[in-house]
Amino acid sequence: DIQMTQSPSSLSASVGDRVTITCRASQSISSYLNWYQQKPGKAPKLLIYAASSLQSAVPSRFSGSGSGTDFTLTISSLQPEDFATYYCQESYSTPFTFGPGTKVDIK
Amino acid sequence: EVQLVESGGGLVRPGGSLRLSCAASGFTFSDYAMSWVRQAPGKGLQWVSAMSGGGGSTYYADSVKGRFTTSRDNSKNTLYLQMNSLRAEDTAVYYCAKYVIPWEDGMDVWGQGTTVTVSS
Repeated sequence: DIQMTQSPSSLSASVGDRVTITCRASQSISSYLNWYQQKPGKAPKLLIYAASSLQSAVPSRFSGSGSGTDFTLTISSLQPEDFATYYCQESYSTPFTFGPGTKVDIK
Repeated sequence: EVQLVESGGGLVRPGGSLRLSCAASGFTFSDYAMSWVRQAPGKGLQWVSAMSGGGGSTYYADSVKGRFTTSRDNSKNTLYLQMNSLRAEDTAVYYCAKYVIPWEDGMDVWGQGTTVTVSS
């Protein structure tokens, strides 16, 4: 099975900050990488698919990049509604493993 | 409106069984692969299983293989998760989710989740 790691595990940031979250796969997964946002008590929401494609209706301040084993989710200017936990997930081979998550909270 | 509604969660003793259901509406259910994803209290997301739109292919996480069975009834627009030999570590909120096409591009619709508690 492919193992996914994320860094940092948590971060504190202010509204307007640029935030970068890194995800790493234990083997090459090409661009088969998706990003989800989850707020407390809510279901996850798909943000980015295929490493860099923005899901419909997701604000353009979210972007993704990377291929192979290293991937990045960037929020260009953090907004109050962006405080949440972010998960990467590989979709290269089953089981489609999630990363452990990165919690973004208010500084 | 595209919607998924899970049901069937509850309290069950270790070694017991439970069947979860996920009722889908607002899309052609049989066209889409579906998945179960769980989240233990205070923990991250764990992919549990997936099934192709026609039901011919099913995939499981190692942690549930041999104990859980995913099925679907496309005539009823419903996905199921039969959980047997339940353990304390299966305690979680269980979400069903719909894949996009192709399924590698992620899960775009999620239910609200149903809670399973395994405890004596």
